[in-house]
Amino acid sequence: QKEVEQDPGPLSVPEGAIVSLNCTYSNSAFQYFMWYRQYSRKGPELLMYTYSSGNKEDGRFTAQVDKSSKYISLFIRDSQPSDSATYLCAMSETGGFKTIFGAGTRLFVKA
Amino acid sequence: NAGVMQNPRHLVRRRGQEARLRCSPMKGHSHVYWYRQLPEEGLKFMVYLQKENIIDESGMPKERFSAEFPKEGPSILRIQQVVRGDSAAYFCASSPSGLAGQETQYFGPGTRLLVL
Repeated sequence: QKEVEQDPGPLSVPEGAIVSLNCTYSNSAFQYFMWYRQYSRKGPELLMYTYSSGNKEDGRFTAQVDKSSKYISLFIRDSQPSDSATYLCAMSETGGFKTIFGAGTRLFVKA
Repeated sequence: NAGVMQNPRHLVRRRGQEARLRCSPMKGHSHVYWYRQLPEEGLKFMVYLQKENIIDESGMPKERFSAEFPKEGPSILRIQQVVRGDSAAYFCASSPSGLAGQETQYFGPGTRLLVL
């Protein structure tokens, strides 16, 4: 069993739709949760960062962490064609050096 | 302020040759991480280095792979006697301190290695 599971997709939605991306994990020691966006042939860039459980909102993006279920989500409101990318969840332990990534979900937003 | 720089961006090697991948961290960052990304897979941690020290290399294959981050110059990921299975994108990330989850890691554009 992988430490972090993420559905690779692809996920195709029309412009303006609400997108929900999810990851599950098995390591209860994870405390830091991140979402990265990766455009084709580019390096990942950090989108959202959350510590422990709860919600965090930044513009059209909302990150949720449910530690009791070991489940994290990223919601994208009013999705745009420019949101088309691969979204990677990532997590790490307190004091840890390693960040563990999910496989990434490919998202296509159609105009 | 330049971001993380990696070179070369693309590297083609024949089986048995050596591959050297370079990473210059962001200015002011003294912590470097290397990751490997295979097609349709996420990033896999390989090694974490500080200047002149390897802190965690638990993700790096024990044979043929080595990494360094000298006092001066870029971090180098070296793959000896490459095999086709080494074909992947290799990403470098840097941060101001070494607490992976507690601060942002900034990624470079990656080096795409193709082994023929």
